[in-house]
Amino acid sequence: DGGITQSPKYLFRKEGQNVTLSCEQNLNHDAMYWYRQDPGQGLRLIYYSQIVNDFQKGDIAEGYSVSREKKESFPLTVTSAQKNPTAFYLCASSSEAALTYEQYFGPGTRLTVT
Amino acid sequence: GENVEQHPSTLSVQEGDSAVIKCTYSDSASNYFPWYKQELGKRPQLIIDIRSNVGEKKDQRIAVTLNKTAKHFSLHITETQPEDSAVYFCAASIRQGGKLIFGQGTELSVKP
Repeated sequence: DGGITQSPKYLFRKEGQNVTLSCEQNLNHDAMYWYRQDPGQGLRLIYYSQIVNDFQKGDIAEGYSVSREKKESFPLTVTSAQKNPTAFYLCASSSEAALTYEQYFGPGTRLTVT
Repeated sequence: GENVEQHPSTLSVQEGDSAVIKCTYSDSASNYFPWYKQELGKRPQLIIDIRSNVGEKKDQRIAVTLNKTAKHFSLHITETQPEDSAVYFCAASIRQGGKLIFGQGTELSVKP
């Protein structure tokens, strides 16, 4: 399954709570990404990281935070400041050293906040 | 900023017909254009990609064409089959860490 795992598959939280989504890869990829998917809006980039201990904001970073302490891991925290957090979250990774820019996606986490 | 527009949003074809999905991009520096297929409830998977130094690329029933002057690229699926039914996303990238800008997606339905 591409060596990228996300957990859990489904997550339910109450409004006002922070929640952390896990993303782990064993592909030895340098770059990792977090996307949010809503119906009819495609995939929107939240944060990305090209190297350990460094990350950049994507198009919709407000209300989210990330860390990249290990090459294999790129957890995403959805904070209470995110106004509409219910969505499908996808993590991806790619290799800077490869001749292709292909991004490999994880299976996703569906977050529901009520 | 960078933007990718994708059309149509939905597409219904009869089995055996061809399907064409079109995308336009805004940043002329974009040089990599992948297409992803996402089946219901599953992760997106790369089906074909093209770089800016190539005008067309084919892989069996799938082909992608690129017009750099017009800043648009298209996915062509011939002899469609019911298992081609899925959501297809185009994307564009500038060589800066591989960040992809995705189109809004096209839901393709192939009727048997």
